[in-house]
Amino acid sequence: VMTQTPLSSPVALGQPASISCTSSQSLVYSDGNTYLSWLHQRPGQPPRVLIFKLSTRLSGVPDRFSGSGTGTDFTLKISRVEAEDVGVYYCMQGTHIPYTFGQGTKLEIK
Amino acid sequence: EVQLAESGGGLVQPGESLRLSCAASGFTFSRYWMHWVRRAPGKGLEWLLSIIGDGKKTILHADSVKGRFSVSRDNAKNTLYLQMSSLRAEDTAIYYCVREECADNYCKKFDYWGQGTLVTVSS
Repeated sequence: VMTQTPLSSPVALGQPASISCTSSQSLVYSDGNTYLSWLHQRPGQPPRVLIFKLSTRLSGVPDRFSGSGTGTDFTLKISRVEAEDVGVYYCMQGTHIPYTFGQGTKLEIK
Repeated sequence: EVQLAESGGGLVQPGESLRLSCAASGFTFSRYWMHWVRRAPGKGLEWLLSIIGDGKKTILHADSVKGRFSVSRDNAKNTLYLQMSSLRAEDTAIYYCVREECADNYCKKFDYWGQGTLVTVSS
């Protein structure tokens, strides 16, 4: 089970934001990688993976996004929120079958 | 350029069947695991099914579709399929196909998602 907090996060432009995700079991895979991803979905758009393997940003993802964590506790940080960052953020684990998502965190501009 | 384009969604009645397609282009389709994920209105994301590149192995992730949904692929046509039967109102969702990249020292990089196709199950 993946548990995200908070479920809603109003943030002022230019301010930092942080989303937490906790797994009920370790997400360290047999190959040594931790397959925890962070996704962002804007209204009317498909999800976009921002970070995979705990902390690796995908190509084109701004460096204001960073991922960190241990085997069960994870954090997505946005150093300075921009208007385009609004939407819902999900953590997702690909270590164990079934793959599962957190409930989602809605980021809004304050 | 990698592209994934879902099609086949629409309005169906409860109990009916539907087949979704995902046309892939811009990469060697047969080398990639592919997946189906959905998002129901007002709800979160749900991982449904996965299929290996040669089509010989599939993985069911969601018990909610067990025995009703299946995944297949035609590598000659670069197309992924989701066969859905005994559809229920709770299957109403946008369905996305997803590509997974694997490299020497990692996998599970879900790097490309289609735009999705809407399935509405209603009488």
